[in-house]
Amino acid sequence: EAQVTQNPRYLITVTGKKLTVTCSQNMNHEYMSWYRQDPGLGLRQIYYSMNVEVTDKGDVPEGYKVSRKEKRNFPLILESPSPNQTSLYFCASGWGGTLILNEQFFGPGTRLTVL
Amino acid sequence: GENVEQHPSTLSVQEGDSAVIKCTYSDSASNYFPWYKQELGKGPQLIIDIRSNVGEKKDQRIAVTLNKTAKHFSLHITETQPEDSAVYFCAASPVQYGNKLVFGAGTILRVKS
Repeated sequence: EAQVTQNPRYLITVTGKKLTVTCSQNMNHEYMSWYRQDPGLGLRQIYYSMNVEVTDKGDVPEGYKVSRKEKRNFPLILESPSPNQTSLYFCASGWGGTLILNEQFFGPGTRLTVL
Repeated sequence: GENVEQHPSTLSVQEGDSAVIKCTYSDSASNYFPWYKQELGKGPQLIIDIRSNVGEKKDQRIAVTLNKTAKHFSLHITETQPEDSAVYFCAASPVQYGNKLVFGAGTILRVKS
């Protein structure tokens, strides 16, 4: 089944404790992206990757890191989480390309709470 | 950069009625406008999209219209059903940023049976 998977689905942690949220897709997509969803703000892009070893900042990258060492995986790293990073996080993937825009497939989401 | 505004934030309709959600965008260079549906506990899923060279697109009970001059686009759902209840997001893509999507704040649609 074609899908985007994220782990964990739920996470409660404390301020300053490094964490990683994994994202994997099995559709051979070039493009991958991370979003955070907050009430009243919709989905805001954190980081994206156009291909392996190519990553770039989205609209709200502060406090986050990503890496793209393999085509299928795009982990989101919070080196020192803070309470304002409490949010619902989504990973997405798509076929990529710079001018041809296509559907993005979203994972099920990771609900993160930072105490 | 691109900014997308979405209205209303919540919408309640009676089963069988129509629902309309409207979005405006700021960047006249944006050329791709998808609509995503998010059901409770799930990730958003594309339901329909439209490109800037098309004014209207239909898929069964849903349709999207685009007015490039006014920089707004709308989602129309006819004959609403309880399973249409969800959060709907519009988005716009500024052409110079490839696959980047800028989302509206979302609309909670409730279909009352």
